[in-house]
Amino acid sequence: NAGVTQTPKFRILKIGQSMTLQCTQDMNHNYMYWYRQDPGMGLKLIYYSVGAGITDKGEVPNGYNVSRSTTEDFPLRLELAAPSQTSVYFCASRLDRGEGETQYFGPGTRLLVL
Amino acid sequence: AQSVTQLGSHVSVSEGALVLLRCNYSSSVPPYLFWYVQYPNQGLQLLLKYTSAATLVKGINGFEAEFKKSETSFHLTKPSAHMSDAAEYFCAVSDDQAGTALIFGKGTTLSVSS
Repeated sequence: NAGVTQTPKFRILKIGQSMTLQCTQDMNHNYMYWYRQDPGMGLKLIYYSVGAGITDKGEVPNGYNVSRSTTEDFPLRLELAAPSQTSVYFCASRLDRGEGETQYFGPGTRLLVL
Repeated sequence: AQSVTQLGSHVSVSEGALVLLRCNYSSSVPPYLFWYVQYPNQGLQLLLKYTSAATLVKGINGFEAEFKKSETSFHLTKPSAHMSDAAEYFCAVSDDQAGTALIFGKGTTLSVSS
């Protein structure tokens, strides 16, 4: 198993541009998450999904959109990039709702908006 | 609302010394607690987790943590630090609302000197 994969690894965007961060997991996990990591702030939840076709907002959803058409894929869309979206983005997945279940993280996408 | 607080954004130890990273939680229900490690430019890897089975939890790489309900703490320890332990460490609690996403502390950077 590859686990959770993310592409691209690094991207520079100009203000106002759009892009999609890709996330794929091959563990047949139902739950998937997007977090952003800013220095000294830990990780904050952007969006999550409990299964194909079901998504919901997390703590910091403004400026982002998601979709979940398949169990494997959970892309994150930035429509109008802003400097405040400069961050490292992590995708994660877990098997089911059990609160003790481990979340598995991808390697991250580093995004710079200039 | 649940939260975690990590005391000390930066901890420095000598190789062979005791490692102690502090985490306190706030939760109105029995929490599920996690420690993750992040090496430079990598994703997050699970060190250990508390799921109410035992208060002393052993993890990978010689780390362990003790759940103390009376102190609302879940501190991470390792008897003897190794240079390879230098990384950022995150304490997290499972959010019983947002699809059991993780609520992270701000992280503690561990430096190990020879």
